[in-house]
Amino acid sequence: AQSVTQLDSQVPVFEEAPVELRCNYSSSVSVYLFWYVQYPNQGLQLLLKYLSGSTLVKGINGFEAEFNKSQTSFHLRKPSVHISDTAEYFCAVRESADGLTFGKGTHLIIQP
Amino acid sequence: SAVISQKPSRDICQRGTSLTIQCQVDSQVTMMFWYRQQPGQSLTLIATANQGSEATYESGFVIDKFPISRPNLTFSTLTVSNMSPEDSSIYLCSVVRGTGELFFGEGSRLTVL
Repeated sequence: AQSVTQLDSQVPVFEEAPVELRCNYSSSVSVYLFWYVQYPNQGLQLLLKYLSGSTLVKGINGFEAEFNKSQTSFHLRKPSVHISDTAEYFCAVRESADGLTFGKGTHLIIQP
Repeated sequence: SAVISQKPSRDICQRGTSLTIQCQVDSQVTMMFWYRQQPGQSLTLIATANQGSEATYESGFVIDKFPISRPNLTFSTLTVSNMSPEDSSIYLCSVVRGTGELFFGEGSRLTVL
C-alpha cells in the first residue's frame, strides 16, 4: 500500500525567501504524484503534478517540484515566497485507478 | 478542469440524526471519490463510487455509517448516518479528469452538536 510522509508539519519562512516543503512516499509500483494547496476555509487546488517524463515539474504560482525516484521524494520549492502563499500544502500519491493518498500536510507560514 | 458542486456547503446537525451530501459534476465521470477532512487534519479517503456498482469502502469506513449512491455519471450522494460529534468534518467529493489528476469540490463542512 502507498503512503506519504510530509516531514514538516509547519514551516515558517520570511517573505521573499526561498522555501522547500518535503515529501517522501512509499509504493511498490509506479505512481502519480501531486501537490495540492488549501487556503484558509477553501477547497483544494492542484499546484502541480508528476505523471511521467521530466522529473522537474513546474506548477502554478511559481512553485515547482522534483521527482526523485531513487529517494522516493517529491519536494516542493519556490524561490521567493509571498505573504499570499500562506496556506496548507498537501502532497499526494496515486496508484493506477485508486484514489489519492494524502500526506498530513505542511502549514506554510510567511512572516513579513 | 472540472466544476464540482456540493450541497450543503455547511450544516449544523444534532447528534443521532443523518445528513445527505450531494455532489454534482459538470460532465460525466467514471469514478467519484468521497474524502473526509477532520479539523486540522489531512484528507482520508472514505470510498470510491462507480456508477452501476456498490461503492468500495476504505478500511475503517462501513456502508451502514456512510451509505453512498451513484445513480448516474454526474451525481453522487454521501450520507453520514447516526451522527456523533466525532463526525464533525469537511466532506469532499472528487473526480478524476484527463491525465489522472483529481479535482475537488469546495467541501461540505459538517458540525455535529
